[in-house]
Amino acid sequence: RKEVEQDPGPFNVPEGATVAFNCTYSNSASQSFFWYRQDCRKEPKLLMSVYSSGNEDGRFTAQLNRASQYISLLIRDSKLSDSATYLCVVTFGSQGNLIFGKGTKLSVKP
Amino acid sequence: EPEVTQTPSHQVTQMGQEVILRCVPISNHLYFYWYRQILGQKVEFLVSFYNNEISEKSEIFDDQFSVERPDGSNFTLKIRSTKLEDSAMYFCASSDPNTGELFFGEGSRLTVL
Repeated sequence: RKEVEQDPGPFNVPEGATVAFNCTYSNSASQSFFWYRQDCRKEPKLLMSVYSSGNEDGRFTAQLNRASQYISLLIRDSKLSDSATYLCVVTFGSQGNLIFGKGTKLSVKP
Repeated sequence: EPEVTQTPSHQVTQMGQEVILRCVPISNHLYFYWYRQILGQKVEFLVSFYNNEISEKSEIFDDQFSVERPDGSNFTLKIRSTKLEDSAMYFCASSDPNTGELFFGEGSRLTVL
């Protein structure tokens, strides 16, 4: 069975805080891994891909541990505009169809 | 910037009625997808479409659902006889042939009464 599990939160943090999200996936055959962001009642938008070597994009750092089937996202110096739901996403199948986690809700307060 | 467009943005229908949701994928994309998200739930894969045929579908995508690419630009999802539990946001997506990144439309909210 294809599952992606995330802590639903919510994570309520002050501006400037560092926050970390974790995700586990069940399908060891998954090939690609992503973090998407979804604002309330909006479509998911790609935040960043996740690579085995780890990757960083500004204030965002993503890590993948294939052996543990675990993915993480670290947000440093959080901004009010970071408030959203963060979706852990893995691919399955030959076409790379996406399986979404339920998301972790982040609320950044002034 | 090219984008996936969907119509209608919101449709209200009676149980048992047929509904067609429309999507215009980004023009040079080759793979198209429908996903749905029931309020408060996760985004769920329905179907992927390539070269004018279904390439993969989930267990949600039963005989009540069908997809079609009636012309060179539109990609439609039809629900033949809607049920209350079909109420959801339906997202269309297409993927960049170079990067594989999926681009989602803004969604069509379906409310079945």
